[in-house]
Amino acid sequence: GQNIDQPTEMTATEGAIVQINCTYQTSGFNGLFWYQQHAGEAPTFLSYNVLDGLEEKGRFSSFLSRSKGYSYLLLKELQMKDSASYLCAVMDSNYQLIWGAGTKLIIKP
Amino acid sequence: NAGVTQTPKFRVLKTGQSMTLLCAQDMNHEYMYWYRQDPGMGLRLIHYSVGEGTTAKGEVPDGYNVSRLKKQNFLLGLESAAPSQTSVYFCASSFASEAYQPQHFGDGTRLSIL
Repeated sequence: GQNIDQPTEMTATEGAIVQINCTYQTSGFNGLFWYQQHAGEAPTFLSYNVLDGLEEKGRFSSFLSRSKGYSYLLLKELQMKDSASYLCAVMDSNYQLIWGAGTKLIIKP
Repeated sequence: NAGVTQTPKFRVLKTGQSMTLLCAQDMNHEYMYWYRQDPGMGLRLIHYSVGEGTTAKGEVPDGYNVSRLKKQNFLLGLESAAPSQTSVYFCASSFASEAYQPQHFGDGTRLSIL
């Protein structure tokens, strides 16, 4: 079966750094996406990784290791507005997205 | 600059009633998707379309039907609503499904079946 695992909830302090992990087992791999979803809102695209390594985009970075079936999203200089759920999704061999249940990130002052 | 628009935003139905959820996108995207999102679970694909006049089943298609008569619209129908269909429904669209093509989501429809 296909499976995406993420921690259910994480707590961090404003101004700090947090790393959200995602491990996956899927039938094929055509890239990994990270989305942000604020409560009651639509998911919005954050990043895409298809090759091993780190992709940096401002305060957010995403890392991929295909051999380990592992990715993480790194958020720096946390702000209160970063309180949201972060969804990991893998595009499988049929080009369908398989979604994790999401990690709820709580930022405390 | 609407993007993906879903209507209605909220709806309460009684078991056995039918309804149609509407999704419209103004980005000229070929691909459109319907997902449901339930607590503690990832988004699950119900049906999708790779172009006008085409539809295909996703992971959880039972109890739902779809139509894509126009490129910009993708309709999701519940013929006989059941309490298990209580969920938040998201429509999404993308230029294509290959490689780097992020999906763009609507704001969701919150549906309760009593």
